[in-house]
Amino acid sequence: DVKVTQSSRYLVKRTGEKVFLECVQDMDHENMFWYRQDPGLGLRLIYFSYDVKMKEKGDIPEGYSVSREKKERFSLILESASTNQTSMYLCASSLSTPSAEQYFGPGTRLTVT
Amino acid sequence: AQSVTQLGSHVSVSEGALVLLRCNYSSSVPPYLFWYVQYPNQGLQLLLKYTSAATLVKGINGFEAEFKKSETSFHLTKPSAHMSDAAEYFCAGGRAGGTSYGKLTFGQGTILTVHP
Repeated sequence: DVKVTQSSRYLVKRTGEKVFLECVQDMDHENMFWYRQDPGLGLRLIYFSYDVKMKEKGDIPEGYSVSREKKERFSLILESASTNQTSMYLCASSLSTPSAEQYFGPGTRLTVT
Repeated sequence: AQSVTQLGSHVSVSEGALVLLRCNYSSSVPPYLFWYVQYPNQGLQLLLKYTSAATLVKGINGFEAEFKKSETSFHLTKPSAHMSDAAEYFCAGGRAGGTSYGKLTFGQGTILTVHP
């Protein structure tokens, strides 16, 4: 059974803290993604990685960075958390083919106070 | 740039009634299209996908979708709603050409409510 896991389901952090969200997939997928989900806005892509150490900015990269040192792991970093980064964060992975579907983790609900 | 639009942020049906969730895409090249479902406090799960093999695509849980190129639509239907279908549904499109295979553009989501 394919699996994408995220390090935390719920996280509460203070403004200005550095926050790490971890994502691990066990399907040997080339692609990994970080999305942010807010009511009425759907899923917005923060960053995309198509290979180890390779990344591409998504639609809303400001305030975020990512790291992919191993194929199975993709980390999202909030350098200095702000209240407007309170959201649901979803990680996904996929093969690098045109018709590839994405497999999603359960999400991390981050609250920044 | 490709875009995906879901018409109606909320849809409410009675149990046993037809479910119709609308999705339109904008692209000069017919894309790959997907429907995902998200139950409360969970990640997204694939319902079905269109890859040009057949215009009518059957998915899990009795859902199906029809690709209509002339209408640039990929609406999701289910003949008879069940209470367990209550969830948020997302339409997504992937490009058939270019780079960055595997990237998807998501619609805004439609919350389906099923009344007894």
